[in-house]
Amino acid sequence: GAGVSQSPRYKVAKRGQDVALRCDPISGHVSLFWYQQALGQGPEFLTYFQNEAQLDKSGLPSDRFFAERPEGSVSTLKIQRTQQEDSAVYLCASSLPGLNYGYTFGSGTRLTVV
Amino acid sequence: KNEVEQSPQNLTAQEGEFITINCSYSVGISALHWLQQHPGGGIVSLFMLSSGKKKHGRLIATINIQEKHSSLHITASHPRDSAVYICASTNFGNEKLTFGTGTRLTIIP
Repeated sequence: GAGVSQSPRYKVAKRGQDVALRCDPISGHVSLFWYQQALGQGPEFLTYFQNEAQLDKSGLPSDRFFAERPEGSVSTLKIQRTQQEDSAVYLCASSLPGLNYGYTFGSGTRLTVV
Repeated sequence: KNEVEQSPQNLTAQEGEFITINCSYSVGISALHWLQQHPGGGIVSLFMLSSGKKKHGRLIATINIQEKHSSLHITASHPRDSAVYICASTNFGNEKLTFGTGTRLTIIP
């Protein structure tokens, strides 16, 4: 596609509910990243895929957070038993592999846990 | 661990003014990125640089590797430049971005 597509754009979840956030990267972009941006803060790294391999998940805040990219394209970030502190914008970015290419970001999913 | 700091946190200026936003980092990096985020919008990549200077329209980005410092300049600023500007770094062997906290720029007509 023309850009990185994220869905849903907004999600309101009741505390304890499970949520799934989707990222559809630019076709051919091997690298895919998830970031979490709390209100008024800069984004924080969550996890990184190269194709279907999850190479770094050091930023996932707890075992309630799980990400997958089974076919090396679309990725899903799942949050189980959501808590209020999970409220944030979840950003997805994709790029070609290596350090010589820029990143394309999606518009993000704004998650509000009530 | 690389720390990325930006200044100022907030900047308000009159239309037409020359704008400078600063970014410093603590360890050697492979590249420094400047990004723009409009309210409620996604993030747009402006520049990626590892040395010297880049220019695109009214935007100029510079980096001094020895001083671990980068600047983003906007010439002839316009209200549509109002946004949050974020610098971020990548380190050798690691593609993930480490972000600064951003600079909120407001240009008044």
